Amino acid sequence: DAGVIQSPRHEVTEMGQEVTLRCKPISGHNSLFWYRQTMMRGLELLIYFNNNVPIDDSGMPEDRFSAKMPNASFSTLKIQPSEPRDSAVYFCASSPPGRGGNEQYFGPGTRLTVT
Amino acid sequence: AQSVAQPEDQVNVAEGNPLTVKCTYSVSGNPYLFWYVQYPNRGLQFLLKYITGDNLVKGSYGFEAEFNKSQTSFHLKKPSALVSDSALYFCAVRSSGGYQKVTFGIGTKLQVIP
Repeated sequence: DAGVIQSPRHEVTEMGQEVTLRCKPISGHNSLFWYRQTMMRGLELLIYFNNNVPIDDSGMPEDRFSAKMPNASFSTLKIQPSEPRDSAVYFCASSPPGRGGNEQYFGPGTRLTVT
Repeated sequence: AQSVAQPEDQVNVAEGNPLTVKCTYSVSGNPYLFWYVQYPNRGLQFLLKYITGDNLVKGSYGFEAEFNKSQTSFHLKKPSALVSDSALYFCAVRSSGGYQKVTFGIGTKLQVIP
């Protein structure tokens, strides 16, 4: 059974360019999370979707970041315009239906480098 | 606000010795507690969780953790460490009530020395 799929695995772009990260959650999971991991800040939750609806986007850094989940099997995180401080590893995770006690399943991550 | 503390940046242990990775938490209400492991260039992988019931929780790869409500701790343990256990370990917590996001600790690097 495939886990969470993320693409691309690595992205190198120049400051000012648009970056789109993609995620396919595990089939049957109804919660989806986007995280950012850096050495300085650790693992930060950016946004949480439940049944394709954004529930908590308080972690989205600023208007340059946007996320969508058009259907249960696909989500995107977009950064426009990108800045060097956006360099990080971005993880997507999904979780099955439940009362909140379910663990999250993480994808392999996208390593973003903005020069 | 909920929080997780992992007081040790790194834990070194000799192969075959018992290991402990510490975690304390702060949360309103009853906690849901989790441990995850991250190997280099990989995503986090679930190890075990405490939701309710027995305070001693057993998980993957021989790991276990003990929930201590009075000390607000959820330390990760393993009786005999393997070199392959070397990785980054994250403790996480959320409140059991309603929607609450999961808060992750900063991570503890475990180094098992052959």
